[in-house]
Amino acid sequence: GAVVSQHPSRVICKSGTSVKIECRSLDFQATTMFWYRQFPKQSLMLMATSNEGSKATYEQGVEKDKFLINHASLTLSTLTVTSAHPEDSSFYICSAFGGGYGYTFGSGTRLTVV
Amino acid sequence: GIQVEQSPPDLILQEGANSTLRCNFSDSVNNLQWFHQNPWGQLINLFYIPSGTKQNGRLSATTVATERYSLLYISSSQTTDSGVYFCAVGLGQGGKLIFGQGTELSVKP
Repeated sequence: GAVVSQHPSRVICKSGTSVKIECRSLDFQATTMFWYRQFPKQSLMLMATSNEGSKATYEQGVEKDKFLINHASLTLSTLTVTSAHPEDSSFYICSAFGGGYGYTFGSGTRLTVV
Repeated sequence: GIQVEQSPPDLILQEGANSTLRCNFSDSVNNLQWFHQNPWGQLINLFYIPSGTKQNGRLSATTVATERYSLLYISSSQTTDSGVYFCAVGLGQGGKLIFGQGTELSVKP
């Protein structure tokens, strides 16, 4: 079956630093990738949609300068949280669509900003 | 935008029991999916079911698109069924999905 690898699974960073999260489809090409954040006991909130080689489409209220998305190839998308602050602490999840597998989710990244 | 409501928000079952989870949506959609998020956060796609009925083992799902709801049935529940079940809707395969708030299921041995 389809596998989406998301790294790191857990990261702790200091306030003011940047963190990069990588999402890679291992055995298929993803036409579209999605980035979500999830707070404890809450649903997934879509942050942005990205297609290879084009700029990401951000949802209303998501700061595009803070959450930088790069979709460099059909198998790799990255989310960089710039100048992270404690309120950015959350569970970030990527999803890749393609390869005839529908939507496949990464295992998530738990970000803690101290 | 489209609203997605799931019920119940929480459910506790004894192992072996059956359950029905419901998803209501506010507008016509042509993409509806059910996902299971395990206690470690991993989401697994259970069903792509914009209409009709599908079954996969102990799980089955029915969507009545004209009445804007979908049901997920879990029969003979097992402790490994525990987690959060999400319904998500969209306007086409490959497009963005809007998630409901989920139903948190806990199956006790």
